[in-house]
Amino acid sequence: EVQLAESGGGLVKPGGSLRLSCAASGFSFNRYSMNWVRQAPGKGLEWVSSISGSSSSIYYADSVKGRFTISRDNAKNSLYLQMNSLRAEDTAVYYCARVPLGGDFDHWGQGTLVTVSS
Amino acid sequence: QSVLTQPPSVSGAPGQRVTISCTGSSSNIGANYDVHWYQQLPGTAPKLLIYGNSNRPSGVPDRFSGSKSGSSASLAITGLQTEDEADYYCQSYDRSLSGSVFGTGTKVTVV
Repeated sequence: EVQLAESGGGLVKPGGSLRLSCAASGFSFNRYSMNWVRQAPGKGLEWVSSISGSSSSIYYADSVKGRFTISRDNAKNSLYLQMNSLRAEDTAVYYCARVPLGGDFDHWGQGTLVTVSS
Repeated sequence: QSVLTQPPSVSGAPGQRVTISCTGSSSNIGANYDVHWYQQLPGTAPKLLIYGNSNRPSGVPDRFSGSKSGSSASLAITGLQTEDEADYYCQSYDRSLSGSVFGTGTKVTVV
């Protein structure tokens, strides 16, 4: 069974940093692109970043480019999101999701809440 | 900001058919990228409902169907049930953004 579990969310002050993790199990982790998607309170889904299975291709939404860094450790079946220079508008539930070749997000974690507030 | 436009809400009586539109542009749906649909029940993570424009993952009832034409796509729910009350999102790839894009989301209400 495919399982994704995010951790690392919490309350952080504007300008601060946070590192999210996503532990994957139940599939060959290194064969899949992994993505982060966020959802601000009461709002819709926003794609944040993607990383290919080998980490050779990495992309970011314009809203986080230069502040967030996606990475993965295939030996640990783990995905990460380093978030720096956090702003109030980064407040959201952050989901990690598996993305097969077809481009759909076929499995999602339960999400972790990041709150940026003074 | 979302580049795929959906109606904010649709409603229907139990047993009725409702459709949700998803309008994109020449850099995403119109560029022949596939459209996928997700259902998000209150307080839960999104769940894949339709992939590759019209395919249902195992376990998704055949009451849900998807289609695509030009720069738009649609999700249809036939035989509407109370448990279908949820938010629905379309998603595709945008070549100008080099990333995935989601629709604005549609809340389905069973009246």
